[in-house]
Amino acid sequence: ETGVTQTPRHLVMGMTNKKSLKCEQHLGHNAMYWYKQSAKKPLELMFVYNFKEQTENNSVPSRFSPECPNSSHLFLHLHTLQPEDSALYLCASSHKFGGGTDTQYFGPGTRLTVL
Amino acid sequence: KNEVEQSPQNLTAQEGEFITINCSYSVGISALHWLQQHPGGGIVSLFMLSSGKKKHGRLIATINIQEKHSSLHITASHPRDSAVYICAASPKYAGGTSYGKLTFGQGTILTVHP
Repeated sequence: ETGVTQTPRHLVMGMTNKKSLKCEQHLGHNAMYWYKQSAKKPLELMFVYNFKEQTENNSVPSRFSPECPNSSHLFLHLHTLQPEDSALYLCASSHKFGGGTDTQYFGPGTRLTVL
Repeated sequence: KNEVEQSPQNLTAQEGEFITINCSYSVGISALHWLQQHPGGGIVSLFMLSSGKKKHGRLIATINIQEKHSSLHITASHPRDSAVYICAASPKYAGGTSYGKLTFGQGTILTVHP
């Protein structure tokens, strides 16, 4: 238990559906991250939020839309996804921005399948 | 070529063996992370280091900044150590600020048999 929770843990959706992934951290951290992990590929950073402000968008397609209403919650809104978007989506948080020099705490991930 | 390369990609060991996983990186870094990912997906941070050596239980991580190389060692390996081990580098951008952006290796799949 890392103090970072993600829901749902598994999600199957069609290409025309709209769904959202939720991440919540109970650690009092100020920075939150979305990562994508596809089969046979390294983890990829998607978005970084620092004090609710988006500081990094790693060339992510607009069909992925992040939202960070406060420092404890992070959402990833999904719409018109493609089958190649099927992957494990991981949320992480760190105490301060500049998390490269600060330990990141990961949630358990949401396993997404796009049909 | 990925900025962070791990070897081997797959590693099988017998319980009790000493294990080494290697990580090479091509960028200047402010820190190097070792992470563990168990089946099911959850990732746990094992070490963050910028110089020298760190030890936690049976795990030891070392880094050689000049050679841009880090190793993760597991002593007296156990089947519960079976997992994917991931190396991640925090690049040092101009001005010395890392911007929180980790670059990940492809992971090493470790299987320890009883």
